[in-house]
Amino acid sequence: EAGVTQFPSHSVIEKGQTVTLRCDPISGHDNLYWYRRVMGKEIKFLLHFVKESKQDESGMPNNRFLAERTGGTYSTLKVQPAELEDSGVYFCASSQVWGGASGNTIYFGEGSWLTVV
Amino acid sequence: DAKTTQPNSMESNEEEPVHLPCNHSTISGTDYIHWYRQLPSQGPEYVIHGLTSNVNNRMASLAIAEDRKSSTLILHRATLRDAAVYYCILRHAGGTSYGKLTFGQGTILTVHP
Repeated sequence: EAGVTQFPSHSVIEKGQTVTLRCDPISGHDNLYWYRRVMGKEIKFLLHFVKESKQDESGMPNNRFLAERTGGTYSTLKVQPAELEDSGVYFCASSQVWGGASGNTIYFGEGSWLTVV
Repeated sequence: DAKTTQPNSMESNEEEPVHLPCNHSTISGTDYIHWYRQLPSQGPEYVIHGLTSNVNNRMASLAIAEDRKSSTLILHRATLRDAAVYYCILRHAGGTSYGKLTFGQGTILTVHP
């Protein structure tokens, strides 16, 4: 079974440009999450989708970040315009419906490394 | 969010057991105790979780104190592949934030051959 896949794995863009990160969750997982680690900091929650709806977007840093999950399948995270402090690694994760042993496990992708220069 | 406290780093020898402690004195009744680990250049990986009782799986064991204010992740026989950052996380079961994992600094585990 394929895990959570993210694209691109690495991206280098100039300040002011736009970058779109894509995440494909594990098939059948209704829950999709975005996290990020910026340089020198801890991994931080950004937001949580249940199917196509935003369940919790309390971690989104500002309105330069836009996450979508049309159709409840894959998700995109757009940063526009990118700033230097956005550099870091962006993790996507997914899980089944909450409840039960399997629903408690959140599976992470390997991350998309973003460098803004 | 309830906070966890872990040692910054620990060391072990290969084939020996490792006990990774975690304090969570402000845990609430609906908080699950989760452990994740992150190997170099990879995303976090689920290890184990529990609520009140001790838990075992193929990767590790989780020992939870009776008052739930602390827990210990036990790797029964450490291997070089277990070298990673281990995160102890409280995950709230209710409300809209059940998907939110609050990562701390974690414990860097070094395994010596």
